[in-house]
Amino acid sequence: EDKVVQSPLSLVVHEGDTVTLNCSYEVTNFRSLLWYKQEKKAPTFLFMLTSSGIEKKSGRLSSILDKKELFSILNITATQTGDSAVYLCAVGHAGNNRKLIWGLGTSLAVNP
Amino acid sequence: NAGVTQTPKFRVLKTGQSMTLLCAQDMNHEYMYWYRQDPGMGLRLIHYSVGEGTTAKGEVPDGYNVSRLKKQNFLLGLESAAPSQTSVYFCASSYERGAQDNQPQHFGDGTRLSIL
Repeated sequence: EDKVVQSPLSLVVHEGDTVTLNCSYEVTNFRSLLWYKQEKKAPTFLFMLTSSGIEKKSGRLSSILDKKELFSILNITATQTGDSAVYLCAVGHAGNNRKLIWGLGTSLAVNP
Repeated sequence: NAGVTQTPKFRVLKTGQSMTLLCAQDMNHEYMYWYRQDPGMGLRLIHYSVGEGTTAKGEVPDGYNVSRLKKQNFLLGLESAAPSQTSVYFCASSYERGAQDNQPQHFGDGTRLSIL
């Protein structure tokens, strides 16, 4: 059965800390791995990764994929209170319905 | 840019009542999805559509029906609401034909539904 597992489930840090969120997967016919940030409403797209070893970066956030070991990490440096959110990882199937398999998320709280 | 718009944002129903949730997207996307999100359960796919006039079952389809009569709209119906259907419902869309092959899903802001 396809599955996506995120760790840790929750994390509390202080402003300025660096955090690493983990996502491991067992999915047949892998197409892509996506990271989303969810605050109070809709999940918002952060990164899509399809190739191993190529870092995607946006400001203080970065992510990388390892297709051999079947995992991805999301790094956030110099955390701010606005980074407090649930971070969701999803893996896309190579099939033509483009369905995503979702992890349960990591809840990050950044304290001032 | 409206993106994905869901209506209504909130609704309270009594057990046995019916209702329809509307999702509209203006990104010319082929694929549309309905999810429910419950604490500790993550996002679970209810139904999806790969194009106008098509629908398919997802992970948790029981108690729900959908229709995609127009490309931009995807409706989710509850024929006889049950307390177990209390949840936050998200609509998402993806894949513009002719654009790059890998495209993310874009989400609406959700509908918070309570069934009493």
